[in-house]
Amino acid sequence: KAGVTQTPRYLIKTRGQQVTLSCSPISGHRSVSWYQQTPGQGLQFLFEYFSETQRNKGNFPGRFSGRQFSNSRSEMNVSTLELGDSALYLCASIPGTANTGELFFGEGSRLTVL
Amino acid sequence: AQKVTQAQTEISVVEKEDVTLDCVYETRDTTYYLFWYKQPPSGELVFLIRRNSFDEQNEISGRYSWNFQKSTSSFNFTITASQVVDSAVYFCALSRGNQGGKLIFGQGTELSVKP
Repeated sequence: KAGVTQTPRYLIKTRGQQVTLSCSPISGHRSVSWYQQTPGQGLQFLFEYFSETQRNKGNFPGRFSGRQFSNSRSEMNVSTLELGDSALYLCASIPGTANTGELFFGEGSRLTVL
Repeated sequence: AQKVTQAQTEISVVEKEDVTLDCVYETRDTTYYLFWYKQPPSGELVFLIRRNSFDEQNEISGRYSWNFQKSTSSFNFTITASQVVDSAVYFCALSRGNQGGKLIFGQGTELSVKP
């Protein structure tokens, strides 16, 4: 069974640019959550999508956005990048609709903003 | 507000020692879930256990065991006879009963097991 696939794995951007990260969940999973991991703030919840609808949102500025497609793949976008956006962005795939199960994480996309 | 505290930032042990990772949580919800995840250097978070707030039974899985005590709002994790492969960052997390996709993580405990 294929796991959660995140692309790209590594990328470098400069301040002011924008970036799009992709996440393909485990086949059959319809929910996806995104997390930002930094040394200072730790792991923080960004947003969650279920059946193409945002179900929950964390406390991040509007520069951070996401969407989910009909095949459950999800993308997140960060516009007007700042140095503080450098982080590991993790995507989690969630089975079922009950929303209480185990989250399966990908290996993440490591973003460096120069 | 919900919060998870892992007071131990780093722990270093010698192989075969037992080690306990502490986790204290705060929530006003009656229904919630507690998790432990392991993060090896590759970055992927590996699920270890999930517990719901109504199940205070301790659990053992091989060398791993978990102690859930609602009275002290703690969900501690013990590794018995630690091995070098156990070296990783371990995260405790909490979710509300109806928001399973949104985990509130502790700051993590970096465990180093030396041979």
